Amino acid sequence: KAGVTQTPRYLIKTRGQQVTLSCSPISGHRSVSWYQQTPGQGLQFLFEYFSETQRNKGNFPGRFSGRQFSNSRSEMNVSTLELGDSALYLCASSLDNRGSIKNIQYFGAGTRLSVL
Amino acid sequence: EDQVTQSPEALRLQEGESSSLNCSYTVSGLRGLFWYRQDPGKGPEFLFTLYSAGEEKEKERLKATLTKKESFLHITAPKPEDSATYLCAGVTGGGNKLTFGTGTQLKVEL
Repeated sequence: KAGVTQTPRYLIKTRGQQVTLSCSPISGHRSVSWYQQTPGQGLQFLFEYFSETQRNKGNFPGRFSGRQFSNSRSEMNVSTLELGDSALYLCASSLDNRGSIKNIQYFGAGTRLSVL
Repeated sequence: EDQVTQSPEALRLQEGESSSLNCSYTVSGLRGLFWYRQDPGKGPEFLFTLYSAGEEKEKERLKATLTKKESFLHITAPKPEDSATYLCAGVTGGGNKLTFGTGTQLKVEL
């Protein structure tokens, strides 16, 4: 069974540009979450999508946005890139069975974004 | 504000030297406590999830326990391949938002 796939694995951008990252969840998983990982702040929650709707949102500026498609695949977009956006961006998917609290999130390998 | 704190930040062990990692949390309405392992350049790998105080889970040399205020990851007779960063995270509220600690970087030497 294929795991969570994130593309691209590495990206180099310059300040002011925008970027789109992609995430394909495990087959059958309906929830997709995004996290930012930096050495100083650790792993921080960006947002979660379920059935094409944003269900949760972290404390990030509006430059960070996302969406989910009908096949559960998700994209996140960062506009007007800043140097501080350099990080590992991780996507996680979970089955999210209704009525079950036992939703395990499985992570992809991440996209390493460098902003110059 | 929900907070998860891990200690120590870094731990160096000799092969076979058992130890414990700590994860304390101040979150309201904790629905689950998760442990992940992360190797350099990779995403976190799921290890355990605990749902109620007193619960314990084991996998090979690892054992996770949960109390009302903290969780421990016990490592028995570690091997060099156990070297990694161990992350704990709590999930609260609706949905699957995880609040992570900053991790414990474990190094096991021969």
